Amino acid sequence: GAVVSQHPSRVICKSGTSVKIECRSLDFQATTMFWYRQFPKQSLMLMATSNEGSKATYEQGVEKDKFLINHASLTLSTLTVTSAHPEDSSFYICSAYGLEGVNGYTFGSGTRLTVV
Amino acid sequence: AQRVTQPEKLLSVFKGAPVELKCNYSYSGSPELFWYVQYSRQRLQLLLRHISRESIKGFTADLNKGETSFHLKKPFAQEEDSAMYYCALSGRGEEYGNKLVFGAGTILRVKS
Repeated sequence: GAVVSQHPSRVICKSGTSVKIECRSLDFQATTMFWYRQFPKQSLMLMATSNEGSKATYEQGVEKDKFLINHASLTLSTLTVTSAHPEDSSFYICSAYGLEGVNGYTFGSGTRLTVV
Repeated sequence: AQRVTQPEKLLSVFKGAPVELKCNYSYSGSPELFWYVQYSRQRLQLLLRHISRESIKGFTADLNKGETSFHLKKPFAQEEDSAMYYCALSGRGEEYGNKLVFGAGTILRVKS
């Protein structure tokens, strides 16, 4: 079945630094990748949608200069949290959408970001 | 705009009892509806989608366009069904970017 690999699974960084999270579709080509943020015991909030080779589309209220998304190939998207602050601490999840596969949307295992 | 409403934060039932997790949606086009499950410390997994009309782990869900609902049902709950359940809606087509939007989620607790 379709598999999405997300790395790292956990990261701790200092305030002011940047952190990059990778999302790879391992056995299919993802025409679109989605990035979500999940607060404890809450739902997944869509942050942005990225299509290969084009600029990401951000949801209302999401700062595009803080959350940089790159979708350089059909199998890789990255989310960079720039100048991280403690309030950016959260669980970030990617989802890859490809025309192959049963369901079209395959989720990564998530990244727990803690900014200290 | 796409919107998914799951009115219950927590549903607690006894083992063997029927389960119904409610989901209502708001969408102007023709939606595709999903149920996802998240077990403790695991990634989100697809449970079922309305277009496949499958029954997975005994769960079923029927899309009711008149009531704009996609409730998840199981006739006899099992302890291993305890998890967080999310209803999600995809706006298909280029103009909606195939975005998948989630409801707030419902925690299902099955007691022995």
